Amino acid sequence: DGGITQSPKYLFRKEGQNVTLSCEQNLNHDAMYWYRQDPGQGLRLIYYSQIVNDFQKGDIAEGYSVSREKKESFPLTVTSAQKNPTAFYLCASSITLFVERGYGYTFGSGTRLTVV
Amino acid sequence: ILNVEQSPQSLHVQEGDSTNFTCSFPSSNFYALHWYRWETAKSPEALFVMTLNGDEKKKGRISATLNTKEGYSYLYIKGSQPEDSATYLCALILTGGGNKLTFGTGTQLKVEL
Repeated sequence: DGGITQSPKYLFRKEGQNVTLSCEQNLNHDAMYWYRQDPGQGLRLIYYSQIVNDFQKGDIAEGYSVSREKKESFPLTVTSAQKNPTAFYLCASSITLFVERGYGYTFGSGTRLTVV
Repeated sequence: ILNVEQSPQSLHVQEGDSTNFTCSFPSSNFYALHWYRWETAKSPEALFVMTLNGDEKKKGRISATLNTKEGYSYLYIKGSQPEDSATYLCALILTGGGNKLTFGTGTQLKVEL
């Protein structure tokens, strides 16, 4: 079955270390997204990518970096510059960045990152 | 940043009750509205994508309406079942906003036997 795989499900890191969260999709979707969830807040967009080798900052990109070297993969690195990295991270994809065809997003199951 | 408001924040209903939630947004520059269902320990799942004022969508016992002029969408669940228990998320795309979704904080629904 096609879908999005995020790994690992739980991740623990020491403060000051960079950490990379994996997101892989086999849906042949062009667009991919990273969201962050904190208690009591809606999902907030970190970065998104419309095509390979291209990506744009979302609303809260500071302290994060991404790459899109393959269509299937959109890893997110949480750097030591991110002040509050402990959160739940969701990856998503969509057929196209444009929504006029009425397609929703497909989400992964998320990675819970805890920095101690 | 666009403000997407959802109400109520949480809701407890009895099995068989019908219920509805609201998603409110600034009505200008509207492009599309999404509804998602997010069950505990699962991935959010797309329910509806709505783009036209007056749009109505239906999937089984769940339906949604959209009023872009006044800036709201309603999600209705008829005859709630325990399996409907989930967080329901509303998200919007604004024109000129780069085609990215901005999410509300969600309505958490608990259906009790």
